[in-house]
Amino acid sequence: GDSVTQMEGPVTLSEEAFLTINCTYTATGYPSLFWYVQYPGEGLQLLLKATKADDKGSNKGFEATYRKETTSFHLEKGSVQVSDSAVYFCALLGGTALIFGKGTTLSVSS
Amino acid sequence: EAGVTQFPSHSVIEKGQTVTLRCDPISGHDNLYWYRRVMGKEIKFLLHFVKESKQDESGMPNNRFLAERTGGTYSTLKVQPAELEDSGVYFCASSQDEARGGEQFFGPGTRLTVL
Repeated sequence: GDSVTQMEGPVTLSEEAFLTINCTYTATGYPSLFWYVQYPGEGLQLLLKATKADDKGSNKGFEATYRKETTSFHLEKGSVQVSDSAVYFCALLGGTALIFGKGTTLSVSS
Repeated sequence: EAGVTQFPSHSVIEKGQTVTLRCDPISGHDNLYWYRRVMGKEIKFLLHFVKESKQDESGMPNNRFLAERTGGTYSTLKVQPAELEDSGVYFCASSQDEARGGEQFFGPGTRLTVL
């Protein structure tokens, strides 16, 4: 069945460091891909999405490109801030249900 | 516009007891979803309502779980009797239109602890 694999955390960075969180997927066809973020004490929020190959989703300085050849959707940010500390989930849309990775905890220190 | 709300935010119960979780979707959203994250694992789909009808309940773990959405507005998820492995965070999400790339809006979750 469809699945999502993302890098294990926690990821600890200093402010202004470059961030990459790897995400790969297994799916039949070409599903829509998402990154969700959960800030402390809050619900999941959609961070960005891409609906077809080579699409780039971007939001709040984060980017991810839908790579069909490598079945990947890696999340990147050029300069992280303390306020980016959160749990990040990669997901694909399998039918109507989202299929999530295990989540990656990011901790950014000043 | 109010987001998806869930009640309670936390629940601690004894094994064998019953717990009912509630979800209020965004007004006008016909699609309502329940998901669960067990400690350290993926967030997993439980079921999907379209209005008051269960569209897909393939993720429901067993018959101790009962979801309802009377009138197509809020939804409840009852666990009876609760077992230790039911502990986790239960998320509800809603969406207006499945055709719009599947964007689902999530609530803050209910953290359930079964002792």
